[in-house]
Amino acid sequence: AQSVTQLDSQVPVFEEAPVELRCNYSSSVSVYLFWYVQYPNQGLQLLLKYLSGSTLVKGINGFEAEFNKSQTSFHLRKPSVHISDTAEYFCAVQTDSWGKLQFGAGTQVVVTP
Amino acid sequence: GAGVSQSPSNKVTEKGKDVELRCDPISGHTALYWYRQSLGQGLEFLIYFQGNSAPDKSGLPSDRFSAERTGGSVSTLTIQRTQQEDSAVYLCASSLFAGGFSEQYFGPGTRLTVT
Repeated sequence: AQSVTQLDSQVPVFEEAPVELRCNYSSSVSVYLFWYVQYPNQGLQLLLKYLSGSTLVKGINGFEAEFNKSQTSFHLRKPSVHISDTAEYFCAVQTDSWGKLQFGAGTQVVVTP
Repeated sequence: GAGVSQSPSNKVTEKGKDVELRCDPISGHTALYWYRQSLGQGLEFLIYFQGNSAPDKSGLPSDRFSAERTGGSVSTLTIQRTQQEDSAVYLCASSLFAGGFSEQYFGPGTRLTVT
């Protein structure tokens, strides 16, 4: 069985400060890993994904994530956040060939001036 | 080009009534997914379509839930005899083909409230 754990339910951060959102997964098979963002009253938008290759993945809006197989982690980072980054962020794994996603519980990021 | 659209955006229904939720995927996308987002359960997979067939229905919570897809395009999720625990946001996603190399594009969701 696979599972995804997002270690922080809410992360307050000041504008222009860095942020890290933590994600750990458990799986007995190879996984594909994703980070999605959900702005208020909107659907999910893909930030970045790890399928294979380089463990450092760069995504949209200045976000990046590092896949660490030994620690089964896929933490998301941004060096300097904006007010507009206020949203909920979901880590997800995909372990079957059909693309079914299993999501973590989400991390609410609140950026204040 | 248009993204994934869902209708209605909001639905309030009485307990025991049937509801139909509609998803219009991006044109040409062969894979379609339904997910549910609720306070208690977070985001959970419901069902997946490849073309008109559903190889994976494992996430449907009960036999009151069913879904179909016609013409390899529009999909309808039907909930019969709605219960209060069905209250959630139902999200639809589509991708060009199934699998991790094809990004899933999500619609804005249908917020279902069962009173």
